[in-house]
Amino acid sequence: AQSVTQPDIHITVSEGASLELRCNYSYGATPYLFWYVQSPGQGLQLLLKYFSGDTLVQGIKGFEAEFKRSQSSFNLRKPSVHWSDAAEYFCAVGARNNDMRFGAGTRLTVKP
Amino acid sequence: GAVVSQHPSRVICKSGTSVKIECRSLDFQATTMFWYRQFPKQSLMLMATSNEGSKATYEQGVEKDKFLINHASLTLSTLTVTSAHPEDSSFYICSAIHESSYEQYFGPGTRLTVT
Repeated sequence: AQSVTQPDIHITVSEGASLELRCNYSYGATPYLFWYVQSPGQGLQLLLKYFSGDTLVQGIKGFEAEFKRSQSSFNLRKPSVHWSDAAEYFCAVGARNNDMRFGAGTRLTVKP
Repeated sequence: GAVVSQHPSRVICKSGTSVKIECRSLDFQATTMFWYRQFPKQSLMLMATSNEGSKATYEQGVEKDKFLINHASLTLSTLTVTSAHPEDSSFYICSAIHESSYEQYFGPGTRLTVT
């Protein structure tokens, strides 16, 4: 069965510092992997996705993620965090035309 | 780009009443739509898979008689919460699979509050 683990419930970083949000997945076949961001009371916004090819994926808002099959990981990174990045981040796994399984989410707080 | 809308965005209803939430794919056709539920400070949990012209497939633990799903057209799926109770209060999010690209697009969510 497919599942996603986000080990960090809450992370606090200073503005301008680098960020890495962890995601580990379990999936029986080649996974499709996603990172979404959700602001309070809002829907999901897709940051980036990995289907195949280059394992380093560039997304919107300066985010990137790297697919590491050997570690079953798809960690999200950003070199310099902005205050507007404070939000909830969800990693998800699924097939391309099937439902997704979401991680529990990581809440990001940005200190001024 | 592909857009999915939900209506209403917020709804407050009294306990015992029914509420209908619409999910529309605005500029594409979707043979499959999904309904998710999100409790405060928690992740999205899949409730059901809605396929156009057929019965929805519900996840384990989701009451199909309480959460009625209708996918009558390639651009519209509805979720009706029947005889709502306060514990049904939640954020409901739908998504739609683009019939050509097979990519999944999410709606903005509907906040349901049952008093």
